[in-house]
Amino acid sequence: EVHLVESGGGLVQPGGSLRLSCAASGFTFSDHYMDWVRQAPGKGLDWVGRTRNKANNYTTEYAASVKGRFAISRDDSKNSLYLQMNSLKTEDTAVYYCARVAGTTSSGLDYWGQGTLVTVSS
Amino acid sequence: AIQLTQSPSSLSASVGDRVTITCRASQGISSALAWYQQKPGKAPKLLIYAASSLESGVPSRFSGSGSGTDFTLTISSLQPEDFATYFCQHFINYPHTFGQGTKLEIK
Repeated sequence: EVHLVESGGGLVQPGGSLRLSCAASGFTFSDHYMDWVRQAPGKGLDWVGRTRNKANNYTTEYAASVKGRFAISRDDSKNSLYLQMNSLKTEDTAVYYCARVAGTTSSGLDYWGQGTLVTVSS
Repeated sequence: AIQLTQSPSSLSASVGDRVTITCRASQGISSALAWYQQKPGKAPKLLIYAASSLESGVPSRFSGSGSGTDFTLTISSLQPEDFATYFCQHFINYPHTFGQGTKLEIK
C-alpha cells in the first residue's frame, strides 16, 4: 500500500527557514516524479513544485511565488522527498502536501500525504 | 500562467441529484486535466485524469469530459459521501495550476 508521510512543519518567523520531509513507502519511489502542493487555511490548492526522477536528471519546476526561495530535492536511497523553504513569508502559511505523480506526467497526483502545517508568524 | 476558472464556486444539491461542475482554462490544454475531491481536514483524492479517465477505485457515477478549454465533472446521482469540495488541475505546462474549487453542499 502506498504511503506518504510529511514531517517538519511548525511555527517559524518571517524570513526564517524550514525543511519539510516526505517519507514514501509501498511503491518504487525512484520511478516517480513527485510534487509539493500547499493549501492556506480555508483556501484552495496551490501547486508549489515538482521533482522529476533520476531518468530525467532530478530536474525541478517551481511556482513563480516560491522560485528562488524554495528548493525541492529527493534521496531515492531513503525513499524521501524534501522541501527546503527559505526567506519565508506570512503568505507561505499553509498545509503542505507531498503527492505522487501518476504513471505519466499528465495523469494527475494519485497519492497524497496527510499534510504538515507550516505557520509563518512573528 | 494558465488560469483555471471553476463554476459554480458553490452548489447546493440533494442526494440523488445529477450535478455538473465546469472548469474553463484560459488557453487550450488539450486533455491534460485532472479532477480531485477534498473533504474537510483530508488530503485531496484523484477522481479523473486525462480529462475523462476514471481513476481506479472511483465510483462510476463520476465522469469527466471536455478538451481544449472547457471541461466538466459530472456526478450522475449524488450520494451522501460526495458532499465535498472539488478542484480541477491542468498539466499542459508549468505551473500546474488548480482551479479555485467548487464546494458541493447538501440542500
